[in-house]
Amino acid sequence: EDQVTQSPEALRLQEGESSSLNCSYTVSGLRGLFWYRQDPGKGPEFLFTLYSAGEEKEKERLKATLTKKESFLHITAPKPEDSATYLCAVQAEDDKIIFGKGTRLHILP
Amino acid sequence: DSGVTQTPKHLITATGQRVTLRCSPRSGDLSVYWYQQSLDQGLQFLIQYYNGEERAKGNILERFSAQQFPDLHSELNLSSLELGDSALYFCASSPHLTNTIYFGEGSWLTVV
Repeated sequence: EDQVTQSPEALRLQEGESSSLNCSYTVSGLRGLFWYRQDPGKGPEFLFTLYSAGEEKEKERLKATLTKKESFLHITAPKPEDSATYLCAVQAEDDKIIFGKGTRLHILP
Repeated sequence: DSGVTQTPKHLITATGQRVTLRCSPRSGDLSVYWYQQSLDQGLQFLIQYYNGEERAKGNILERFSAQQFPDLHSELNLSSLELGDSALYFCASSPHLTNTIYFGEGSWLTVV
């Protein structure tokens, strides 16, 4: 069964304290791995798509990486406005896009 | 603004009733996905349509049904509503089958 597991469930960091969020996946025929940011009561906002192991993408303070078993979202020198829930999702060969439960990130000023 | 439009934004209804949620995908997008998000379950995949045809099915209850119309908008029908159906329902769209999907702002359903 296709599965996505994110860790930690929640993370509190001081402003400027860099860290990484993990997304482990089991999927038959990975077509893509996605990262989204979601603010409370809002729709998920697209951040990155990764397609193959070794691929990396960056946007401002965020950098996503992909291996054959997991993906990391690295946050460098975060600011309070980076506080949100970060969601990881995978698309399997049957076209379904399955999400993990997310990591709630809180950046303290 | 992702370009995906969902209506209504909020809906309160009683148990046993039926509601319809509507989604207009981004211009040119052929694929529509529906998800349910509750506090304890995260984003649960319900169903996917591509160019009017059902493409993939997730854990969608038999009381729920969906369709995609020729103009590519989609509707999610929820019937015999129960308290546990209270959740945020999201629609997402993409140009093709293997693309990043973009989400609407969701429809808040409260069943009382």
